[in-house]
Amino acid sequence: GAVVSQHPSWVICKSGTSVKIECRSLDFQATTMFWYRQFPKQSLMLMATSNEGSKATYEQGVEKDKFLINHASLTLSTLTVTSAHPEDSSFYICSARGGLAGRDEQYFGPGTRLTVT
Amino acid sequence: AQSVTQLDSHVSVSEGTPVLLRCNYSSSYSPSLFWYVQHPNKGLQLLLKYTSAATLVKGINGFEAEFKKSETSFHLTKPSAHMSDAAEYFCVVSDQPGGTSYGKLTFGQGTILTVHP
Repeated sequence: GAVVSQHPSWVICKSGTSVKIECRSLDFQATTMFWYRQFPKQSLMLMATSNEGSKATYEQGVEKDKFLINHASLTLSTLTVTSAHPEDSSFYICSARGGLAGRDEQYFGPGTRLTVT
Repeated sequence: AQSVTQLDSHVSVSEGTPVLLRCNYSSSYSPSLFWYVQHPNKGLQLLLKYTSAATLVKGINGFEAEFKKSETSFHLTKPSAHMSDAAEYFCVVSDQPGGTSYGKLTFGQGTILTVHP
């Protein structure tokens, strides 16, 4: 139980194009989803927090116009990297708050590897 | 502000020998601390969490961690390593007390554990 999926698992795009990454909670409803970025040999850094039906809250230094987050339903959040550049190449991980049997935890997806050429 | 420091980027052990992964934290209040494991192509999995109920915390797969306030440490141990333990481990602190992981999480740099036959 409490499975979070991400799609795609990896993507390669050209510089200047936009890429959308989906995060789904498969067997529970997630009122809050989080987006993290992990550069090679570095730790996860929180990018933004999104609550269903409201605007995302971005961490300091994260461009909200570049990283568009939509949390339209209790099971789906999307991250769109607009006008991607090589420096946006990274591992993007989402997590969803919720759970089964009364548990309230943060569950992580497997991540999406983005490479911008 | 809160932070965590994992003292070793890589740890290598032989199968059947003890494992020690070190973590020091900094927090202005009573922290919620966690250890997560990340296997290749898999989502982060919660190993254990400190909820202030007990300083010695037992987790899944035989792992445990001891919270030492005087040393601001939360080291992860396992008496006997198994090949399947090879993965990357993250020490994490939450800005929410009580052991819940749904708050803002701050990750350590990660420790890659290698287990030799």
